[in-house]
Formats: sequence, C-alpha cells, structure tokens
Amino acid sequence: SQQGEEDPQALSIQEGENATMNCSYKTSINNLQWYRQNSGRGLVHLILIRSNEREKHSGRLRVTLDTSKKSSSLLITASRAADTASYFCATLKDSYTGANSKLTFGKGITLSVRP
Amino acid sequence: GAGVSQTPSNKVTEKGKYVELRCDPISGHTALYWYRQSLGQGPEFLIYFQGTGAADDSGLPNDRFFAVRPEGSVSTLKIQRTERGDSAVYLCASSLRGGPYLYTQYFGPGTRLTVL
Repeated sequence: SQQGEEDPQALSIQEGENATMNCSYKTSINNLQWYRQNSGRGLVHLILIRSNEREKHSGRLRVTLDTSKKSSSLLITASRAADTASYFCATLKDSYTGANSKLTFGKGITLSVRP
Repeated sequence: GAGVSQTPSNKVTEKGKYVELRCDPISGHTALYWYRQSLGQGPEFLIYFQGTGAADDSGLPNDRFFAVRPEGSVSTLKIQRTERGDSAVYLCASSLRGGPYLYTQYFGPGTRLTVL
C-alpha cells in the first residue's frame, strides 16, 4: 500500500520559476525522503529530512516537514529544463524493530519544466 | 565505486514461464531491497535483506515470488509461473546498513519485466 500522497499529480512551469510539490502521509515516521526519477527508471535520492527536523536545504532544494499535519513540501528554486522528471516522497516508518527499513512511496508528481 | 546494477535491463517472457532478475549492490552495503513499480505508480516494497537473511518479506505478493542472497552480496529475485499482472519495473536498492537507521537507499536502474 502507498502511504504518501503527492500533489499536484502533474506540474508544468517555465524555466526559472519555482516548483512546489506537496506530500501527505498517514502514519508516524522516522524520516521522509524525496526522490527523482527520469524516464520511469532509476530513482535518485534528493534529500532526507528527519522527523525532528522542520526544514532542510540542499542546493536549489528546500524541504519542509510538518509532523503535526503529516505533510512535507519540496521546493525547487530557479527550475531548469533538466529538472523535468517524476518526483516521489517516501517515508520510513517510525519503529524500533530491526526490520524497519522499507520505504513507502507515494504515486509521484510529474514535473515538466518548459525551456 | 560503482552503483547498484541490475540485469537484465529488459526481460520479455511468456505467461507461465520462470524468470530470474539479478541485483548487484554497492560494494560493502549490507542491506538490499527489492521494490516493484507498476506504470504510473510509485515503487512498492517487496523484500529486504540484511546480510544473507530476509529480514522482511512482507511485500512479496504471493508464493510465486522468492528472493535469495546466498553470500550477502548479489541477490536474485525469482518469479515462478509468471502472470501478465507481474509486468512492471523491478527495482533493487542497497544501503550501508538496514534497520532503524538513517542510511540512504541507492537504487539501481531497474529491470523492466513484460509478461505476454
């Protein structure tokens, strides 16, 4: 089952604009991660935010996490055509069991950046 | 070093056949994961290995699916009596450690399985 629900499902913007993508989840988490996927194949890890963090930056990426609302947002600033891809949020469940390692992904957001 | 590699990149088979998908994790990574991604969906967890043992196989859909990692490195996902519904991209990932740790999972390029 998929825990994360991203919105919007698709986003089309002009190069240079900012892109904001949102993710909501259902259960308590250890951390939340954002991944990018090009052409329906390999996933590339972008950024991880822990449950006790509220905001994190990495280059042009900014991620926020609101555990009270069970939601996260990914902001890509000054977008480029090369940012065109599908973006997924994934959560790692909050558990102290040794078997807790599986990521639960949302359905993804398709971002198109027009040159 | 090299990233996670998966072979074959594409596999076309007929309904009822047996297939094996291989994953080579990043050297030194003790944790290995298999996910399945259907068209238009996010990846769904299948199984997680810590070393040679399957620590969590709760995502395997039925007993036609089986995975091994005999030496704690390369893993093979085996699907018996394939069905058209098994068609998907099968993704493998590895991380330095597993368990309740914050180790990033690095994904391979996937194997696209098509069952005719």
